Amino acid sequence: GAVVSQHPSRVICKSGTSVKIECRSLDFQATTMFWYRQFPKKSLMLMATSNEGSKATYEQGVEKDKFLINHASLTLSTLTVTSAHPEDSSFYICSAISSTNYGYTFGSGTRLTVV
Amino acid sequence: AQSVTQPDIHITVSEGASLELRCNYSYGATPYLFWYVQSPGQGLQLLLKYFSGDTLVQGIKGFEAEFKRSQSSFNLRKPSVHWSDAAEYFCAVARGFSGGYNKLIFGAGTRLAVHP
Repeated sequence: GAVVSQHPSRVICKSGTSVKIECRSLDFQATTMFWYRQFPKKSLMLMATSNEGSKATYEQGVEKDKFLINHASLTLSTLTVTSAHPEDSSFYICSAISSTNYGYTFGSGTRLTVV
Repeated sequence: AQSVTQPDIHITVSEGASLELRCNYSYGATPYLFWYVQSPGQGLQLLLKYFSGDTLVQGIKGFEAEFKRSQSSFNLRKPSVHWSDAAEYFCAVARGFSGGYNKLIFGAGTRLAVHP
């Protein structure tokens, strides 16, 4: 079945530094990937849609300069949280669409803590 | 824009009891409907999905869901709950798989607790 690998699973960084999170589709090509943010005991909030070879489409209220998304290949999308601050601490989850089973496959998430 | 409502934030059931988690969506046409389960600190696992055809959908772990167009609902059911079913359940909707229609929008989630 379709598998999405997300790395790292946990990261702690200092305020002001940048953090990169990777999302890879292991056994299928994903022309479209999505990035979500989840606050504790809350639902998933869509941050942006990442399309291979083009600029990401950000949801209203999401700072594109803060959350840089790159989708340079059909199997890899990255989310970089720039100049991270404690309020950026959250659980970030990626997902990818598989054209073979018309489903959304999710990564296991990244717990970001900014200190 | 489409939206998803899960009216129940918390549900507690006894092990062995039946379960129904409610989900209502707002969208003019028939959307693509999904139920996911999330354990603490983990990603999401797909339980089942509905695109078209038979309105009663069977999923993994003994779950099923019924699409009711007249009620704009896609409720999740399980006849006998196991302690391992305790988790967060999310209903989600998408308008399609291409173009700008493929955004997956989630409901607020329902936290299920299971009493022994």
